[in-house]
Amino acid sequence: GQQVMQIPQYQHVQEGEDFTTYCNSSTTLSNIQWYKQRPGGHPVFLIQLVKSGEVKKQKRLTFQFGEAKKNSSLHITATQTTDVGTYFCAGPTTDSWGKLQFGAGTQVVVTP
Amino acid sequence: ETGVTQTPRHLVMGMTNKKSLKCEQHLGHNAMYWYKQSAKKPLELMFVYNFKEQTENNSVPSRFSPECPNSSHLFLHLHTLQPEDSALYLCASSQDFRGTSGKSSYEQYFGPGTRLTVT
Repeated sequence: GQQVMQIPQYQHVQEGEDFTTYCNSSTTLSNIQWYKQRPGGHPVFLIQLVKSGEVKKQKRLTFQFGEAKKNSSLHITATQTTDVGTYFCAGPTTDSWGKLQFGAGTQVVVTP
Repeated sequence: ETGVTQTPRHLVMGMTNKKSLKCEQHLGHNAMYWYKQSAKKPLELMFVYNFKEQTENNSVPSRFSPECPNSSHLFLHLHTLQPEDSALYLCASSQDFRGTSGKSSYEQYFGPGTRLTVT
């Protein structure tokens, strides 16, 4: 079945450093979404990418959708303690309307 | 964020109890979802409702029974649960997906979740 994989599973970052987390789908996606879940919180929608090669920025966060629409990345520059949390990517499944396949997430820990 | 609310926020129940989780969305959406989130596991979709009709049951055991009386409310009725059912149960809503190509999806808005412990 369709799989969405994220790497790394854990990311320890020094405050001020940059890092990238990756999302790979076993199938071509019509779009990809990114969510953030703070510790003790719930997933919050960040962004959706639709076009091949699309790049979107939200302040220090840069999201990219691969040319083949099978992978995506999230790059965070100058990491802050507010970036702590788990970042999930999700893509629509091909077998059912409205259903998202979530990746397992990248848990980000920031050390001051 | 108060677009999607869930009650109760915490629930402890015995294996023989019957309880219900409630979700309400104030976003004017017509699609609602139940997810289960266990430690160290990806989000697991349980049920999907679109315009009050169940469109997805992701092989969920019958001890979980969903109910969607209208597009704003979603319930999850729990009966004779097992300790391994302890998890965070999240409700979400989105725009409806009737008439789409079936390959697209709208962003989902999650509630704060109910932390369930089965003893």
